[in-house]
Amino acid sequence: AQKITQTQPGMFVQEKEAVTLDCTYDTSDQSYGLFWYKQPSSGEMIFLIYQGSYDEQNATEGRYSLNFQKARKSANLVISASQLGDSAMYFCAMREAPSEKLVFGKGTKLTVNP
Amino acid sequence: DTEVTQTPKHLVMGMTNKKSLKCEQHMGHRAMYWYKQKAKKPPELMFVYSYEKLSINESVPSRFSPECPNSSLLNLHLHALQPEDSALYLCASSQDFFSRGGYTFGSGTRLTVV
Repeated sequence: AQKITQTQPGMFVQEKEAVTLDCTYDTSDQSYGLFWYKQPSSGEMIFLIYQGSYDEQNATEGRYSLNFQKARKSANLVISASQLGDSAMYFCAMREAPSEKLVFGKGTKLTVNP
Repeated sequence: DTEVTQTPKHLVMGMTNKKSLKCEQHMGHRAMYWYKQKAKKPPELMFVYSYEKLSINESVPSRFSPECPNSSLLNLHLHALQPEDSALYLCASSQDFFSRGGYTFGSGTRLTVV
């Protein structure tokens, strides 16, 4: 069974608007971490934001926020005020304690239109 | 220094060649990883080294041989590869499960097997 599900293969957003990228996960562990990464066409994986399973507040990092709904097992990424440079692949990933494995979803390709 | 450095950035090799990919980090991270990423797919874990010892091998063919000479270096030795091994090879490092900084990835080596 897939651990991480990203149901949006591609998303389009107008510059300066907000966009939500969906991510649901499957785990029976109580302790886990959720990550979002951005991968431009150049290939590097850029860490954006982290949410721990015991964190009571949703994580925020600048224009990125994570809408964490634990009961629904969802960890959606919200990008506010989209910029042209936000066009990239976005991967949701999870790590379950005590494993050292980081497992990725299939990704969402975001295109920001001027 | 908050980077993971991978060399070379591009590599073309024949099926009978022997080559090595190198990865270096100076962040004091105790775990290092090799991932393989095919085009339009998420990264797939190959190997994990924890405290310089191989802790996870995801059933990777023996033509891929990892090595961790010290806590800062990680190599991936390649021998008798197949064209289907052509991919982006990503190295990553992490401090520990509770690190909120996530995994730090290098920019990858784009490998082409001819």
